[in-house]
Amino acid sequence: SQTIHQWPATLVQPVGSPLSLECTVEGTSNPNLYWYRQAAGRGLQLLFYSVGIGQISSEVPQNLSASRPQDRQFILSSKKLLLSDSGFYLCAWTAGGFGYTFGSGTRLTVV
Amino acid sequence: GENVEQHPSTLSVQEGDSAVIKCTYSDSASNYFPWYKQELGKRPQLIIDIRSNVGEKKDQRIAVTLNKTAKHFSLHITETQPEDSAVYFCAAPRSYNTDKLIFGTGTRLQVFP
Repeated sequence: SQTIHQWPATLVQPVGSPLSLECTVEGTSNPNLYWYRQAAGRGLQLLFYSVGIGQISSEVPQNLSASRPQDRQFILSSKKLLLSDSGFYLCAWTAGGFGYTFGSGTRLTVV
Repeated sequence: GENVEQHPSTLSVQEGDSAVIKCTYSDSASNYFPWYKQELGKRPQLIIDIRSNVGEKKDQRIAVTLNKTAKHFSLHITETQPEDSAVYFCAAPRSYNTDKLIFGTGTRLQVFP
């Protein structure tokens, strides 16, 4: 069966520090991968999506970037965090049938 | 591109009552409408979905209805229980023939015993 792993679960980082969040999927190949952000008490904002290795589409201009170095690995990064980057970051995958499976999320607090 | 609006933002019901959450979408070509449940501090989980070739789908106490003419779809929960308390999100594809989803703003459902 397919599983999705996301880490770390929580992160407290100072303003201006770098960020790296990782997401991996097991049990499938060539998944479509997504990064969403959820601000406190708010909805889900699509940040990046990828349909294959090295193929990244950005949905919102911002301080973040994403990479897909391997088929089942998706990384969210920042060189310098801003306070506004705080939120709950969710990785998700789909095999193209629309049913998203979300990772367990990373709660990022920028201080 | 798609725009999804969700109402109400909060909903409080007594245990055993029904709850209805409504979403409207803008792109008439949209063909897939999922609902996700997110418990506090946890990941959203798919609870039910419907494709545009049917008008209603049921799974035990939950159901989703779709009105393509009016471009809205609704989540119905019957015989609510305290464990139904969560935030519910509707979603629709960002554009035709894509699996990028645009989510509604969420409905916080509270079921009081």
